Amino acid sequence: QVQLQESGPGLVKPSQTLSLTCTVSGGSISSGSYYWSWIRQPAGKGLEWIGRIYTSGSTNYNPSLKSRVTISVDTSKNQFSLKLNSVTAADTAVYYCARDPGYCSGGSCFYWFDPWGQGTLVTVSS
Amino acid sequence: SYELTQPLSVSVALGQTARITCGGNNIGSKNVHWYQQKPGQAPVLVIYRDNNRPSGIPERFSGSNSGNTATLTISRAQAGDEADYYCQVWDSSTGVFGGGTKLTVL
Repeated sequence: QVQLQESGPGLVKPSQTLSLTCTVSGGSISSGSYYWSWIRQPAGKGLEWIGRIYTSGSTNYNPSLKSRVTISVDTSKNQFSLKLNSVTAADTAVYYCARDPGYCSGGSCFYWFDPWGQGTLVTVSS
Repeated sequence: SYELTQPLSVSVALGQTARITCGGNNIGSKNVHWYQQKPGQAPVLVIYRDNNRPSGIPERFSGSNSGNTATLTISRAQAGDEADYYCQVWDSSTGVFGGGTKLTVL
């Protein structure tokens, strides 16, 4: 079964760029026509979808973060990555990666997130 | 942007039925998905497409969706069901989560 694992620095300075990678194991990132997402959760708060990528490179981003986010994919390494620039303390959170299964009907598509990685805490502090 | 509203907390007696609601404008026209998150763990999908259970999720978990409200129902609640629960929809090419509901099993 597919498993996801986040990796990257746990501490980032304000105004710098947060960079994380999600490694997919147990299957090819290119198989099954899936999107792949990043989601975050500040301590004690709810979940916030950041954005997603298809293996073709097509992306969608949360409008509230779009100006600062870039998601990319490396199919040769079975990985996809997140870059969030100009970070502040408000970006401190646990960051999760997840696979997006979906269902399309009548011209509309609906996606959910399964499975998820275990998450990685990123703290923004000087 | 689309918004989902969940109660902050729900309590249920051991062995009874818990219902967690998720409100949104005409949410019945969307597919609603539900996640369970226990402290220190990643969320786990418990219901997808309104009322479908992934493999390994007990039959005690069920879902419904109509009008402006979707509902996650947990029958015969157990101590192990105590967790935060989040609803989620897909709207305008964006993933949207509810604020989450803390379920307490008394």
